[in-house]
Formats: sequence, C-alpha cells, structure tokens
Amino acid sequence: DQQVKQNSPSLSVQEGRISILNCDYTNSMFDYFLWYKKYPAEGPTFLISISSIKDKNEDGRFTVFLNKSAKHLSLHIVPSQPGDSAVYFCAASNSGYALNFGKGTSLLVTP
Amino acid sequence: GAVVSQHPSRVICKSGTSVKIECRSLDFQATTMFWYRQFPKKSLMLMATSNEGSKATYEQGVEKDKFLINHASLTLSTLTVTSAHPEDSSFYICSARRGAGADQPQHFGDGTRLSIL
Repeated sequence: DQQVKQNSPSLSVQEGRISILNCDYTNSMFDYFLWYKKYPAEGPTFLISISSIKDKNEDGRFTVFLNKSAKHLSLHIVPSQPGDSAVYFCAASNSGYALNFGKGTSLLVTP
Repeated sequence: GAVVSQHPSRVICKSGTSVKIECRSLDFQATTMFWYRQFPKKSLMLMATSNEGSKATYEQGVEKDKFLINHASLTLSTLTVTSAHPEDSSFYICSARRGAGADQPQHFGDGTRLSIL
C-alpha cells in the first residue's frame, strides 16, 4: 500500500522558470518529510526536509511547503537550472523510523 | 562528498550463490542503518532496519533467513543474500542516519545492482 504518492512521473520545465514537484501522503502519523534527488547510477542525495511543525522550509533555490490538512507537500525550485534534471523522490517517516518513498518524478530542465 | 559507501555496485552471479553487500558510513557513526530494495518502476521499499549490536528488524514479508543482516560496528552493516535465485535480482540500497534524532535525514549509498543468472 503506497503511503506516499507522486502522481506525476515526469515534468519538463524551461531553464530559469519555477519547477514544482508534488507529493501526497495518506498516513497522518508522518511527522518528517524529505526530498531526495537521484542521478542515474547513484544513490538518492538528500536535498531538503521539513518537520510537521512547520509549513515551509527554504534552502537557497529550494523550498518545501507542507499542507498537513491536505496531506500534501511540494518542492519548489526557482530558478530551475539544467543541472537540476534528475529524479526527485518524496519521502516521509514517523518518529524517525524508516522512510516511505514515492515512486519519483523525473524532472527535465531544458535550456 | 559521499557520506555512505556501498560495495559492490554491481554483482552478476549464478543461482545458488550467496552475495554479501557492504554499507559503510564514512565520517560518522550510525547506530541504525536501513536496507531498501527497489523493483523496476517501483519506489524504494524498506527491507529491514539494522541495529548495531543487536538483531535486525525485518519488514513483513522479508525472509530473515534469506537476507542476513549484520551490523557489527557503528560504521558497517552487511546484507547477505543467501542462496540467491533469479527472483532476488534487484537493486539494493542502504542508508544511514547521522545522529539519533528523528529529524535527521538518511544518507544513501549508491546501491548494488544484483543480477542472478
């Protein structure tokens, strides 16, 4: 049973514009959410996280928004750069236990 | 730079062989490491939680006699796929959490592509 869902398998954005990646979850006990970026033949690399006590966390070009009532989070990348092209995984955990992952969204940033 | 090292990156072997995969935290001690498996076009699925100095905790449906986990030190966990068969072919990846806090992210190795002929 998929508790974390990324409904868009792919996204294409023009360089300089905003990329918005979405993620929905079903388990209301999740209290920590993360985004990972993955290049081919490499493991996921931690990008940004947010605790359930917050609704926004920003780190440079990356901002994660959390809407607990909707059980929805999103990752905003602005401005998008070609080097951002990768697969982005949303993940969630409950009290620091293991992560539940979405299936990923493949982002392509075109020049 | 990488904080978790996983070795080997790829294994091709005959059916019936046992395969050991190592996961090391490079610059921190990890009391807990995690082992995941990814099937094609699926998300990463947790197999087991590896606890230093104690038995691993396996997820439902994962055979602990098939997938042996040893976490003998604070920087090393190993996963041994015993008597591997073609259905065990998959992508296995480990992670480690720096620090004990629940709000610490997990850092992943680069994974091991296991192919059983």
